[in-house]
Amino acid sequence: ETAVFQTPNYHVTQVGNEVSFNCKQTLGHDTMYWYKQDSKKLLKIMFSYNNKQLIVNETVPRRFSPQSSDKAHLNLRIKSVEPEDSAVYLCASSEGLGENTLYFGAGTRLSVL
Amino acid sequence: GDSVTQTEGQVTVSESKSLIINCTYSATSIGYPNLFWYVRYPGEGLQLLLKVITAGQKGSSRGFEATYNKEATSFHLQKASVQESDSAVYYCALNMGYKLTFGTGTSLLVDP
Repeated sequence: ETAVFQTPNYHVTQVGNEVSFNCKQTLGHDTMYWYKQDSKKLLKIMFSYNNKQLIVNETVPRRFSPQSSDKAHLNLRIKSVEPEDSAVYLCASSEGLGENTLYFGAGTRLSVL
Repeated sequence: GDSVTQTEGQVTVSESKSLIINCTYSATSIGYPNLFWYVRYPGEGLQLLLKVITAGQKGSSRGFEATYNKEATSFHLQKASVQESDSAVYYCALNMGYKLTFGTGTSLLVDP
């Protein structure tokens, strides 16, 4: 049963536009994540938040910014998208920091023309 | 940084035959990582298949098994007899601290 919800499923946009992806989890978890899956299927962590606090911020371009209004929501904004941003973005949650099991959403596929 | 290397690309196995998907890891932090196999079935999100957090232990789920071998730094996924419903993409992963590091995924196709 899905408990991590991502919108939209797909998004097509042009270079230079701004996009926002939403993520909500209904599991009552404290920690949320954004992962990027590129064309080579490699999954890389971008950000993690614990109780609305940024914990992990991997080396991602500054045009990417996470936004957390409460611990159940973690959105991702990309200001001025580039072609290399085309990928699948996966949101996930876990009970806490260092918790082993992550629960993933279905992903948002971004295509930048 | 931490890294995971697994069998690349697509693996095709006939139904009822055995399967092994190789996974080796490298963790740069002190201590032993927690190891996982995640799976994505067609049309579904990524989900945990099994995990092992203690070196030397074996994890199992849905007929799959993986043993945490700290000497070989391996965590190979095995199944004695695959079914068509096992067709999916399998990801090996490790956790050292606050993030999960994934391999590139192995696509399993089971021929009926």
